[in-house]
Amino acid sequence: KAGVTQTPRYLIKTRGQQVTLSCSPISGHRSVSWYQQTPGQGLQFLFEYFSETQRNKGNFPGRFSGRQFSNSRSEMNVSTLELGDSALYLCASGPQRDRGLSEQYFGPGTRLTVT
Amino acid sequence: AQKVTQAQTEISVVEKEDVTLDCVYETRDTTYYLFWYKQPPSGELVFLIRRNSFDEQNEISGRYSWNFQKSTSSFNFTITASQVVDSAVYFCALSEVPSGGGADGLTFGKGTHLIIQP
Repeated sequence: KAGVTQTPRYLIKTRGQQVTLSCSPISGHRSVSWYQQTPGQGLQFLFEYFSETQRNKGNFPGRFSGRQFSNSRSEMNVSTLELGDSALYLCASGPQRDRGLSEQYFGPGTRLTVT
Repeated sequence: AQKVTQAQTEISVVEKEDVTLDCVYETRDTTYYLFWYKQPPSGELVFLIRRNSFDEQNEISGRYSWNFQKSTSSFNFTITASQVVDSAVYFCALSEVPSGGGADGLTFGKGTHLIIQP
């Protein structure tokens, strides 16, 4: 089975621009989550989607948004980029479980640099 | 609010030694899930284990073992007979299950950088 794929792998943007990152989950997984990883703050949860609905959201400003399509692929968007948005953005997918968050399988990430 | 503490920032051992990575968590919920992930130098997070709060049995998988103790809110990870390939950053994480259902995203610890010297 193919793993989680993320595109692009690297991105350089200018402050004030917007960016869209893409994630394709493991086949059969309907849950997709996004995380931000920075040296200072570590790994932080952005949001989770399941069957095209946002089920959960972390503590990030409204400039961060996402969506999920009917084929479970997901995109996240960051508008009005700030220097502090430079980070590794990780996407994870997981199978449905009866209860609780399932095991999350992570993609290789998109390295975003804001200049 | 939930919190995960990995007090050991970096551990360095010689190959074949046993090593234990500590993880202490805080949560207000009675139902929650605990996870361990490995992040090798390549950068991709690798899933190791998922454990729910009602299952306190220790788990062993090859050279890896986990000790879950609710009384001390700890979920420690031991690597037996460590190998150079075990060198990585290891993250402990928590996901709460609110009383209304659903599940929170992962709250990660800061990670422990494990260095295995040949």
